Amino acid sequence: GENVEQHPSTLSVQEGDSAVIKCTYSDSASNYFPWYKQELGKRPQLIIDIRSNVGEKKDQRIAVTLNKTAKHFSLHITETQPEDSAVYFCAANTGTASKLTFGTGTRLQVTL
Amino acid sequence: NAGVMQNPRHLVRRRGQEARLRCSPMKGHSHVYWYRQLPEEGLKFMVYLQKENIIDESGMPKERFSAEFPKEGPSILRIQQVVRGDSAAYFCASSPEGSKAGELFFGEGSRLTVL
Repeated sequence: GENVEQHPSTLSVQEGDSAVIKCTYSDSASNYFPWYKQELGKRPQLIIDIRSNVGEKKDQRIAVTLNKTAKHFSLHITETQPEDSAVYFCAANTGTASKLTFGTGTRLQVTL
Repeated sequence: NAGVMQNPRHLVRRRGQEARLRCSPMKGHSHVYWYRQLPEEGLKFMVYLQKENIIDESGMPKERFSAEFPKEGPSILRIQQVVRGDSAAYFCASSPEGSKAGELFFGEGSRLTVL
């Protein structure tokens, strides 16, 4: 089955700096890669996603890149703000199903 | 359009009791997924259901756990004879019929504590 690895597990950046979180996946049939943000005690919220027919997608301060050959994808957050502090999860679907396999999460701390 | 509704939000059970968690998908959604999240860990897939059918239960423990999504009413995740290791947040997610692969909308979760 699919295996998703995520790094780093914790990340601390100063406000205004950029943050990058990286994930790798194992199933070459995966074609959908979402990123979720989860604040303490809350539900995971989709912040951006990318499908395998594109290499990069951007939404304001958030961007995701995908390298299908190497089977890795990354989340980039620019001009970080304190409210970006949360746990971020990458995920990959398995084949054509909507079943998602999640990475282990990255705890992002944005300091003033 | 209400989101995915889960209840109860918090549930406390003693070892050996039963826990029932309910999930109503978003209006128009016919696919339901259950995920479990242990403290400080990621989400682990448990089961994928459509109305009256279990599509994929590869993440469900072989014993004590069951799930259903009846023709009428919410999806239910049932845990019999709970043990302390069952303490976790259980998230339900839904997706619409014919959705692009992967588009999941999560509920707020049900947090089970086993004493």
